[in-house]
Amino acid sequence: QKEVEQDPGPLSVPEGAIVSLNCTYSNSAFQYFMWYRQYSRKGPELLMYTYSSGNKEDGRFTAQVDKSSKYISLFIRDSQPSDSATYLCAMSAGTGNQFYFGTGTSLTVIP
Amino acid sequence: EAQVTQNPRYLITVTGKKLTVTCSQNMNHEYMSWYRQDPGLGLRQIYYSMNVEVTDKGDVPEGYKVSRKEKRNFPLILESPSPNQTSLYFCASSLSIMGYQETQYFGPGTRLLVL
Repeated sequence: QKEVEQDPGPLSVPEGAIVSLNCTYSNSAFQYFMWYRQYSRKGPELLMYTYSSGNKEDGRFTAQVDKSSKYISLFIRDSQPSDSATYLCAMSAGTGNQFYFGTGTSLTVIP
Repeated sequence: EAQVTQNPRYLITVTGKKLTVTCSQNMNHEYMSWYRQDPGLGLRQIYYSMNVEVTDKGDVPEGYKVSRKEKRNFPLILESPSPNQTSLYFCASSLSIMGYQETQYFGPGTRLLVL
């Protein structure tokens, strides 16, 4: 079983839609949860970072962590064509530990 | 400008010919890491380094070597490359706060083809 599971999509939505991206994980030691955005032919860039359970909001982006269900989500409100990219979830148990990434979900926002 | 640089960006080589991919960061970060990205498998960590002279294996270290002699540099060495090491490689770095690595900054990637 993979440490982190992520639906690869692809996901295609109209501009202005609310997008929901999700990951599940198996390691209960994970405490740090991240979402990265990766444009084609570029390196991943950090979008959101959350520690433990709860919600975090940053502009049009909201990250949610449910440790009891081992489930994390990223919501994008009022999606824009510039949001078209691959979104990667990542997790870590903390100090000095490895990072584990999901396989990424490809998102296309259609104007 | 704060950045992680990798060289070369593209490399075609043959089986068994030793190669080194360089990685350098100008942010004085303690933590550096190498990943490979493959279709359907996502990003997998190869090696990481908490600081100078401290390195640890990640998820897929076989066939790779690293060294961390200076804080800013973290080269990835393939002593005897094989076709299954054909991949897109990313170097990343982050500041270590109380031992925890937060935001990872990624380099632009190195696309390697081993024939």
